[in-house]
Amino acid sequence: GNSVTQMEGPVTLSEEAFLTINCTYTATGYPSLFWYVQYPGEGLQLLLKATKADDKGSNKGFEATYRKETTSFHLEKGSVQVSDSAVYFCALKASGGSYIPTFGRGTSLIVHP
Amino acid sequence: DTEVTQTPKHLVMGMTNKKSLKCEQHMGHRAMYWYKQKAKKPPELMFVYSYEKLSINESVPSRFSPECPNSSLLNLHLHALQPEDSALYLCASSQSDGGSSYEQYFGPGTRLTVT
Repeated sequence: GNSVTQMEGPVTLSEEAFLTINCTYTATGYPSLFWYVQYPGEGLQLLLKATKADDKGSNKGFEATYRKETTSFHLEKGSVQVSDSAVYFCALKASGGSYIPTFGRGTSLIVHP
Repeated sequence: DTEVTQTPKHLVMGMTNKKSLKCEQHMGHRAMYWYKQKAKKPPELMFVYSYEKLSINESVPSRFSPECPNSSLLNLHLHALQPEDSALYLCASSQSDGGSSYEQYFGPGTRLTVT
């Protein structure tokens, strides 16, 4: 079956530090990959996505590259801000069969001033 | 308008009450979803409506009853809930459930507490 594995949090950083949140996946076919962010007290919102191998999704300074050879979609940001503190979910939607997304466990990011 | 709205924002109900959660989107999306989310966990899928027909029910107890009156509205009727049903209930929509590249748009959720 499909699955998404995210690094366990919380990830705690100082402002302006470099961020990496690891995400690897298992899926048949050619899934689409997503990062969603959930700020405290809110619903999830799409941060970025990539729909085929070697695609790079980017938004608000965050980037992730779809690596089929390593089945990974790691989230990166060069300089985090306090306002980036949130929970980040990696997700996939498989290309065949069910189109329901599979979410990772979520990784909490805490950024200190 | 890329917004999914949900009402109420907070709900406290007793185990004998009947209440409803409401969700609305005006993006022309034809797939709508209900999720349950416990603290520090990913959302758990409950129901999917595709073109206003229930297409997926993830073995949810009958005390949760979904309804899709039209393509823009989604309701979740609640009856005789248990304290363990306390959670954040999220509504989402997407262009359809048949495209792997279609992202979901989530509402802000209803924080439900069952006493």
